Amino acid sequence: DGGITQSPKYLFRKEGQNVTLSCEQNLNHDAMYWYRQDPGQGLRLIYYSQIVNDFQKGDIAEGYSVSREKKESFPLTVTSAQKNPTAFYLCASSDPGGRNTDTQYFGPGTRLTVL
Amino acid sequence: SQQGEEDPQALSIQEGENATMNCSYKTSINNLQWYRQNSGRGLVHLILIRSNEREKHSGRLRVTLDTSKKSSSLLITASRAADTASYFCATPMDSSYKLIFGSGTRLLVRP
Repeated sequence: DGGITQSPKYLFRKEGQNVTLSCEQNLNHDAMYWYRQDPGQGLRLIYYSQIVNDFQKGDIAEGYSVSREKKESFPLTVTSAQKNPTAFYLCASSDPGGRNTDTQYFGPGTRLTVL
Repeated sequence: SQQGEEDPQALSIQEGENATMNCSYKTSINNLQWYRQNSGRGLVHLILIRSNEREKHSGRLRVTLDTSKKSSSLLITASRAADTASYFCATPMDSSYKLIFGSGTRLLVRP
């Protein structure tokens, strides 16, 4: 899982609540990403950030929000507007200006369940 | 949007056998990557092959790339039970460093 940590590992949410998933990296990477993975499926991009104080919507951004106030941190908030938030959430980072520009390094994931 | 699609969706083999997974993609790429995901864990990068390469090796892994057919294959030789995982191919999106992942091949290696 490299130098990326995600917390918590498991998260339970009641309907109508917002929750924030943490993602921290010590790899000094400029780019960070959030993906959603549903059972037996591939990864879908929620948001990504190329640099501090900048982020862009991915394919499924509705009902989610992010911030990138520090290079090492990229928290994801799942809002009550997300109608089906139960899923496995993965954070990743990459170093576009470095040697392995296209390789992404993943955290261990957070499994979110809506009760 | 799906760029890479893996085939087969699931594969069950005996320990010691070889496992071959295929990936097809739609648009021109400058590289293609393979990742492994153990159940309930994050993805781990296995290997990257560039568009000007046809074959690449890493330990028991062999990756091929055919840009004319827009396809790649991942071969795991002499498989072990520890190779049991899902394997995903990923390609850059729109010539950027963002990646599009396929839906994966679930490999089961029986001891």
